Amino acid sequence: DAKTTQPNSMESNEEEPVHLPCNHSTISGTDYIHWYRQLPSQGPEYVIHGLTSNVNNRMASLAIAEDRKSSTLILHRATLRDAAVYYCIPQGAQKLVFGQGTRLTINP
Amino acid sequence: DAGVIQSPRHEVTEMGQEVTLRCKPISGHNSLFWYRQTMMRGLELLIYFNNNVPIDDSGMPEDRFSAKMPNASFSTLKIQPSEPRDSAVYFCASSRGTGPNEKLFFGSGTQLSVL
Repeated sequence: DAKTTQPNSMESNEEEPVHLPCNHSTISGTDYIHWYRQLPSQGPEYVIHGLTSNVNNRMASLAIAEDRKSSTLILHRATLRDAAVYYCIPQGAQKLVFGQGTRLTINP
Repeated sequence: DAGVIQSPRHEVTEMGQEVTLRCKPISGHNSLFWYRQTMMRGLELLIYFNNNVPIDDSGMPEDRFSAKMPNASFSTLKIQPSEPRDSAVYFCASSRGTGPNEKLFFGSGTQLSVL
């Protein structure tokens, strides 16, 4: 499994953009980059994933570096409901291996 | 769709007792995963199944833990005998199929307390 490095915590203000970084320098060529988040007292939920190109969906955007050794999850306008732990997971096999993630705090 | 359904939501038991956690995956999903979450160790994958067959149980802590999937719509995780260190939140997740492109859908978890 590729090793990931994420900040332990980040803080942002409501209605501002948030950029959550992830380093995955040992990623292999066929690994997808998945992002999940876990809201308090809930199970993890899927946010977005990609392979090489940048990806957008209704929740977020994923920017993948050209060398694929890092990626950034972008929340365009954070709300209080976005406060959660965000996990970046390079996935080469079927199983997802979660690291410690980044705890995101949103200030009103 | 109701999503992944886990029961019970909370379980409190005494050391030495048998505990059975249950999971109903999303209809049509062929893969099922059991995870455990603690403050110290984070989210750990215990075991996963494809088409009801256990594929990787390397995360199962010891022989006290066993998991079964008798059919496509039901799975159990059993701990016998339970110990206080088994206290954790246990999550079940399912996905449509295999491969690194599949999304996992998680249940709400079972909070287990072993006294």
